[in-house]
Amino acid sequence: AQRVTQPEKLLSVFKGAPVELKCNYSYSGSPELFWYVQYSRQRLQLLLRHISRESIKGFTADLNKGETSFHLKKPFAQEEDSAMYYCALRGGSNYKLTFGKGTLLTVNP
Amino acid sequence: GAVVSQHPSRVICKSGTSVKIECRSLDFQATTMFWYRQFPKQSLMLMATSNEGSKATYEQGVEKDKFLINHASLTLSTLTVTSAHPEDSSFYICSAVTSGDETQYFGPGTRLLVL
Repeated sequence: AQRVTQPEKLLSVFKGAPVELKCNYSYSGSPELFWYVQYSRQRLQLLLRHISRESIKGFTADLNKGETSFHLKKPFAQEEDSAMYYCALRGGSNYKLTFGKGTLLTVNP
Repeated sequence: GAVVSQHPSRVICKSGTSVKIECRSLDFQATTMFWYRQFPKQSLMLMATSNEGSKATYEQGVEKDKFLINHASLTLSTLTVTSAHPEDSSFYICSAVTSGDETQYFGPGTRLLVL
């Protein structure tokens, strides 16, 4: 069985502060991990995926297989980063994603 | 690229009627689409996998006779909520998988309210 855990339902930081959204997963094979973001009244958008190892909007995430984690980080949060963030895992070849419950990030001015 | 649309964006219907929601991949072909349900301030719950030219695969606990899925072409999947009841009121979201990077791209969602 595969599972994604986002332990923080809410996270509030001030503008310019570092932010880390936690994601832990459980999967017996080699997973593919994603971060999706949903801004207010907008559709879910892909933020980044671990295999591309790129930085989007200043966010990075490193897959740590030892700790089974894929935490999302940004050194200096901006107000426009306020959104719901979902960590997702894909195991196997059927494209299905298992989502975490999401973390609502609020960046205060 | 990789735009997914849904129609309608919102629908209100009477209890007992059926409602059809369309999901289209606008600029790519998708052999696989997914249907999700999202409750307020909650995560997405996968309902079913829609495969072009074959029967949909439903997740455990999802009634296949209530939520009919048709994926008749490489750019269109439809979800029909049959004999809708107030408890079916929800936000329904579809996604489509691109063959290139095998990524799910999401539609904007359809708000269903059953009175």
